[in-house]
Amino acid sequence: DGGITQSPKYLFRKEGQNVTLSCEQNLNHDAMYWYRQDPGQGLRLIYYSQIVNDFQKGDIAEGYSVSREKKESFPLTVTSAQKNPTAFYLCASRAGTVITEAFFGQGTRLTVV
Amino acid sequence: QKEVEQNSGPLSVPEGAIASLNCTYSDRVSQSFFWYRQYSGKSPELIMSIYSNGDKEDGRFTAQLNKASQYVSLLIRDSQPSDSATYLCAVSGATNKLIFGTGTLLAVQP
Repeated sequence: DGGITQSPKYLFRKEGQNVTLSCEQNLNHDAMYWYRQDPGQGLRLIYYSQIVNDFQKGDIAEGYSVSREKKESFPLTVTSAQKNPTAFYLCASRAGTVITEAFFGQGTRLTVV
Repeated sequence: QKEVEQNSGPLSVPEGAIASLNCTYSDRVSQSFFWYRQYSGKSPELIMSIYSNGDKEDGRFTAQLNKASQYVSLLIRDSQPSDSATYLCAVSGATNKLIFGTGTLLAVQP
């Protein structure tokens, strides 16, 4: 089955810890995205990548880091510098041209304990 | 000014009515426009995409784009209670950046 897999589905983080959220796609898509969603809010762009070994900051990149070493993988690290990380994190991918749709993984719900 | 703006709602319509959802965007060179539906606690799913001015119909859904007015809308005909969800407008430009609005909550009353 082709698709986007995010793991884990639920993640609990202690204050001061870094955590990494996984996003893997087997759709052969060039572009990948990370979004954050807070309750009752829309999606805010954290980082996006158009090709391997290249990525750009979105609107709320502070406290987050990413890597794109392989086409199919785009992990997101939530660092201790992110002061309010509790949110629903969504990964998406698209074929890479502007006139293509993006498809989403199932999301990771991160909670700080 | 936000890049993509939507009325947060809730928009309440009776079953069988037409629901009209609106979105405006600020970047004049935006090239592609999308509507996603998101149920509570779930990830967004694509409903419609539109790239050129005019209307695009798919079943009960019609997307409308007016680039001169920087406006895109979604009409849902014969609204059903199962259509109750948050509808997200997304816009993409030449850099492949994909920006979402805050979403409009639609409630279809039986």
